[in-house]
Amino acid sequence: DGGITQSPKYLFRKEGQNVTLSCEQNLNHDAMYWYRQDPGQGLRLIYYSQIVNDFQKGDIAEGYSVSREKKESFPLTVTSAQKNPTAFYLCASSQTPGTGGGWYGYTFGSGTRLTVV
Amino acid sequence: GQQLNQSPQSMFIQEGEDVSMNCTSSSIFNTWLWYKQDPGEGPVLLIALYKAGELTSNGRLTAQFGITRKDSFLNISASIPSDVGIYFCAGQLRAGANSKLTFGKGITLSVRP
Repeated sequence: DGGITQSPKYLFRKEGQNVTLSCEQNLNHDAMYWYRQDPGQGLRLIYYSQIVNDFQKGDIAEGYSVSREKKESFPLTVTSAQKNPTAFYLCASSQTPGTGGGWYGYTFGSGTRLTVV
Repeated sequence: GQQLNQSPQSMFIQEGEDVSMNCTSSSIFNTWLWYKQDPGEGPVLLIALYKAGELTSNGRLTAQFGITRKDSFLNISASIPSDVGIYFCAGQLRAGANSKLTFGKGITLSVRP
């Protein structure tokens, strides 16, 4: 079955350490996205990539980095510069929408909950 | 940037009741989507709307694309305990390679048995 997989589901990090969250999709989607979710704050865009070897900053990119070396993979690194990294992180992917309708938006992974200890 | 407004932040209903949620914007969107997020999981698409005035159903769910293209509504009929979760609206401004979704902040629905 096609889908998008995030791993691990739960991650604990010590302060001052970098940590990388994995996101893999086999949907043949061109675009991939990383969101951060905090209670009551909705989904905030961290980074997105619409093609291999290219990515753009979202609204809250500071303290995060990404790479897009393969179409299927879009890992997110939470660096020690991120002051408040404890959150639920969601990865998503999508086809490039056409003009004729029928676009189904984003497919989301099941999330990674990162806790700084 | 674009913003979608969803309120209230939380809703509490009794099992069996109907509930309606709306989503408004100051900008026009070409596509409206409604997602549901179960606790600890990622959002899942419920309904997609592509034309102004379009009314679409998915089981007990009904959603409408507002005539002005600046709003959308989601109705859940005869609620059940598994309807608990966060409901997000999302809008797409334009098609093409640079299109991204804009999300509302979500409404957390609680259903009392």
